[in-house]
Amino acid sequence: GAVVSQHPSRVICKSGTSVKIECRSLDFQATTMFWYRQFPKQSLMLMATSNEGSKATYEQGVEKDKFLINHASLTLSTLTVTSAHPEDSSFYICSARPPIQGANTGELFFGEGSRLTVL
Amino acid sequence: GQNIDQPTEMTATEGAIVQINCTYQTSGFNGLFWYQQHAGEAPTFLSYNVLDGLEEKGRFSSFLSRSKGYSYLLLKELQMKDSASYLCAGHVRGSARQLTFGSGTQLTVLP
Repeated sequence: GAVVSQHPSRVICKSGTSVKIECRSLDFQATTMFWYRQFPKQSLMLMATSNEGSKATYEQGVEKDKFLINHASLTLSTLTVTSAHPEDSSFYICSARPPIQGANTGELFFGEGSRLTVL
Repeated sequence: GQNIDQPTEMTATEGAIVQINCTYQTSGFNGLFWYQQHAGEAPTFLSYNVLDGLEEKGRFSSFLSRSKGYSYLLLKELQMKDSASYLCAGHVRGSARQLTFGSGTQLTVLP
């Protein structure tokens, strides 16, 4: 199946600093990638849709100035958590869907996730 | 909103069969996905139903009734490694790629 890689898998930072998370589609081109956030024992909440070559689309309640998304190429999207605070500590997961072909059902493939801890 | 409801927790015994139900608003979605997520890991794809009926894939089967807004995931011959969260996700109508997830059902398989 398609491969989506996310880095780093774990990051600990001090309050007030910024953290960048990368998401790469390794064997397909993704014009669209999705960023989800997941708090403990809760489901995935879509934060934003990253669009290659244009601005990201943010879900209601997600601050675009705090969660900066850049989709600079067809295989890379980055999420930067700016001026991180302890309440931003969470599991951040990116995903992408390869073009639907043949038996491909068009399911989302997820990166490994990045666990952010803000001290 | 486009709500997806599934039970929070379920417990079953190794070797048994368990059915995890999922209900959703029929006007919202084009198809239903099921994902498995182990603690601290990203979700992995299990199944996708876009037509009514049962899709079987080894020990796992998934059913969809679009008119009733109902789906279930059936796990047979349960193994300890099946202990995980199972997420029902709807393919949002009118959106080419977006998924909306239910809260997940935490399944615990006991020996």
